[in-house]
Amino acid sequence: SSELTQDPAVSVALGQTVRITCQGDSLRSYYASWYQQKPGQAPVLVIYGKNNRPSGIPDRFSGSSSGNTASLTITGAQAEDEADYYCNSRDSSGNHGVVFGGGTKLTVL
Amino acid sequence: EVQLVESGGVVVQPGGSLRLSCAASGFTFDDYTMHWVRQAPGKGLEWVSLISWDGGSTYYADSVKGRFTISRDNSKNSLYLQMNSLRTEDTALYYCAKDILSGELAFDYWGQGTLVTVSS
Repeated sequence: SSELTQDPAVSVALGQTVRITCQGDSLRSYYASWYQQKPGQAPVLVIYGKNNRPSGIPDRFSGSSSGNTASLTITGAQAEDEADYYCNSRDSSGNHGVVFGGGTKLTVL
Repeated sequence: EVQLVESGGVVVQPGGSLRLSCAASGFTFDDYTMHWVRQAPGKGLEWVSLISWDGGSTYYADSVKGRFTISRDNSKNSLYLQMNSLRTEDTALYYCAKDILSGELAFDYWGQGTLVTVSS
């Protein structure tokens, strides 16, 4: 199966902009989706497709992609954005499944 | 309101079997692909399996292929995961999740999970 690689930890000052990246060969063919997970809670979808936000997700969250790298950008990070963030995409190895990145712990300073 | 409620998680011995259930409500269940995703304690998310809207297509992660079987009963708005030959590494919180659009492979609703512990 294919793999998605994320930085284990990223930090950002309150109100600043942060980019969280996800790398993998499958991203050359398929979009990534992004999930936010806070301690003790189920994941929440924040971005899917080219750059789509589900209802209720603030517009400070945006997504982009280039080559084998997908990015989640938070413009004006808030304290409540401190969480783990996971990317996923279709597995390009031919097993018709899904692959997740290892996750990035975002700390808002 | 969309709700996904998992059940069936327990402590089971290695080599044992277990069936997880997920009761869905608040949406037209048989319009959507459904998934199982798991998370080992303190670890990241791992996709386990998916089933198409009509049950005609099923796919599995390599780590569970041949041991787990996903199924659904659209008349009961329910999703299932039959888990056989369980291993200690299958210990995890198991979530059921709804695809935002069948085939999109983005999960817009998740349950709260059911904990499976494989231990002797």
